[in-house]
Amino acid sequence: QLQLQESSPGLLRPSETLSLTCSVSGGSVSSYHWNWIRQPPGSRLEWIGNIHNTGKTNYNPSLQSRVTILADTSKNQFSLKLKSVTTADTAVYYCARLAHVRGTSRYFFDYWGQGRLVTVSS
Amino acid sequence: QSALTQPASVSGSPGQSITIPCIVTNSDVGDSYSVSWYRQQPGIAPTLIIFDVTYRPPGVSDRFSGSKSGNTASLTISGLQAEDEADYYCVSYTSDVAVIFGGGTKVTVL
Repeated sequence: QLQLQESSPGLLRPSETLSLTCSVSGGSVSSYHWNWIRQPPGSRLEWIGNIHNTGKTNYNPSLQSRVTILADTSKNQFSLKLKSVTTADTAVYYCARLAHVRGTSRYFFDYWGQGRLVTVSS
Repeated sequence: QSALTQPASVSGSPGQSITIPCIVTNSDVGDSYSVSWYRQQPGIAPTLIIFDVTYRPPGVSDRFSGSKSGNTASLTISGLQAEDEADYYCVSYTSDVAVIFGGGTKVTVL
């Protein structure tokens, strides 16, 4: 059974860089697309971006200038960096695997981490 | 703004059927778009209930069904139960594997 676990500092000051790591067990980051999604308190889910095992990344255009997603296959982890945070970046951050129907490009999220609350406050 | 538009809320009485539409207006999604649906209860990560428009993962109740007509995908919950109260999100994908979330629909059982 695949498991994903987010880890990060829970509190940041404005202008700092948010760093999150998603540790994957029971499977490998060497295949599939690996994603970051966030949810501000009381608000909707927002896709941040993903990384494929080829190293190709996709980012939400609204966050692209501040986001970097990397994968470390030796540690079976992938990470998110979001720079210059503000209070608007306070959210629960989820990592998730994007699977696909075999032989197609029809995708769906099949595994999620439990989420990590990151608070930005002065 | 979201390119997948859902109503903010839908309600129904126990035993009734409700349908949540998801209107796709993002041209990057394409005509043969695929949609998946997720259920989220407060404080918990979302869980997959429908993938590739109509398919249910193992363990998901057959009271949940998905469909698509034109640029609108829909999730139907039949035989509504109190436990169905949750937020429901549709999600689609571009050809570059960028992901688009709908705004979410809060389902209330009256």
